[in-house]
Amino acid sequence: DAGVIQSPRHEVTEMGQEVTLRCKPISGHNSLFWYRQTMMRGLELLIYFNNNVPIDDSGMPEDRFSAKMPNASFSTLKIQPSEPRDSAVYFCASRRGVGGMMYEQYFGPGTRLTVT
Amino acid sequence: AQSVSQHNHHVILSEAASLELGCNYSYGGTVNLFWYVQYPGQHLQLLLKYFSGDPLVKGIKGFEAEFIKSKFSFNLRKPSVQWSDTAEYFCAVNTNAGKSTFGDGTTLTVKP
Repeated sequence: DAGVIQSPRHEVTEMGQEVTLRCKPISGHNSLFWYRQTMMRGLELLIYFNNNVPIDDSGMPEDRFSAKMPNASFSTLKIQPSEPRDSAVYFCASRRGVGGMMYEQYFGPGTRLTVT
Repeated sequence: AQSVSQHNHHVILSEAASLELGCNYSYGGTVNLFWYVQYPGQHLQLLLKYFSGDPLVKGIKGFEAEFIKSKFSFNLRKPSVQWSDTAEYFCAVNTNAGKSTFGDGTTLTVKP
């Protein structure tokens, strides 16, 4: 398996622009997670999906952030408009099983976002 | 609500020293426990996990962790660290509610 795939790997954009991050989970995994990692805040869970349905989006910082999972093999995280404080590494992770207690998360390589 | 606490934010050791990183969680029900490692510039990957049976679990690269239910702890250990163990280490908990919670991470620096 190719593992969790994220694109782009690096994104540099100007403040006010729309940014879309993409994730392809491991085939057969039912849960998908979006995280943000910064030096100041560490690793933060933004949102997670079970069977393509958003379960907990309490970590989404504000309305500028939105996430979708239109099917089992694709998810997007959109920031509109972007701000410099959104600069971070964004990780996508997937896990098998809807309940998934016994299973670990598999992380993608991350997207390093820089907003100038 | 469940939470995970990692007491050490940054640990600095010399090569061959022994390592113990603390992890405590709060949740009243059944849990599965994990340690992940993030090497510089890379993504998180699984180091080891516990879900049942022997509370002492062994992972990759000589790491082990012990689940002590009465103390709500899952400390990570390694008898002799190497320079290549320099990384950030995250403890995580899965509960029967389906949620995963990560600790804030501990940065380990091993001096050659």
